[in-house]
Amino acid sequence: QKEVEQDPGPLSVPEGAIVSLNCTYSNSAFQYFMWYRQYSRKGPELLMYTYSSGNKEDGRFTAQVDKSSKYISLFIRDSQPSDSATYLCAMTILKAAGNKLTFGGGTRVLVKP
Amino acid sequence: GAGVSQTPSNKVTEKGKYVELRCDPISGHTALYWYRQSLGQGPEFLIYFQGTGAADDSGLPNDRFFAVRPEGSVSTLKIQRTERGDSAVYLCASSLVTDTEAFFGQGTRLTVV
Repeated sequence: QKEVEQDPGPLSVPEGAIVSLNCTYSNSAFQYFMWYRQYSRKGPELLMYTYSSGNKEDGRFTAQVDKSSKYISLFIRDSQPSDSATYLCAMTILKAAGNKLTFGGGTRVLVKP
Repeated sequence: GAGVSQTPSNKVTEKGKYVELRCDPISGHTALYWYRQSLGQGPEFLIYFQGTGAADDSGLPNDRFFAVRPEGSVSTLKIQRTERGDSAVYLCASSLVTDTEAFFGQGTRLTVV
């Protein structure tokens, strides 16, 4: 079993809908949680970074962390065709370990005009 | 440069050959990371450098893989006696220090035939 599980999708939604993505993890030592967006043939780019349990909002994006359930989510409101990409969750144990990240497998999202 | 630069973009090599993949980090970034991303999977950590030294090489799969960063800037990932299973996208990322946002390059797509 992988340390971080993520449904591969694809997830297809109409433009303007809410996109809901999630990851589960098994290692309770993970403390820092991130969401990355990856367009085809590009490197991942950081969208959201959270530390504690709870919600964090940034524009159309909301990240949720539930450490008790080992479950994290990303919501994208008012989705646009330009949001079509693969979304990767990632996590790490120590802030000092910085970017030694454990990634989920990614969920492919398609927003249809 | 403006971002992390990786060369070549694509590399096709025959089984058993030696390959070198180059990463030019963002100027001034002291931390540098290598990840490997197989088709349909999330990136997997290989190694990270703090300055010239490899701070953590626990992700290197075997002794055919080696990476250097002799002057604390450009890094080269070296793979000896390549195998078909080495085919993947090799991603490099850099960050100012270990606990700040990492920026990924576009990756080198390695195909071993």
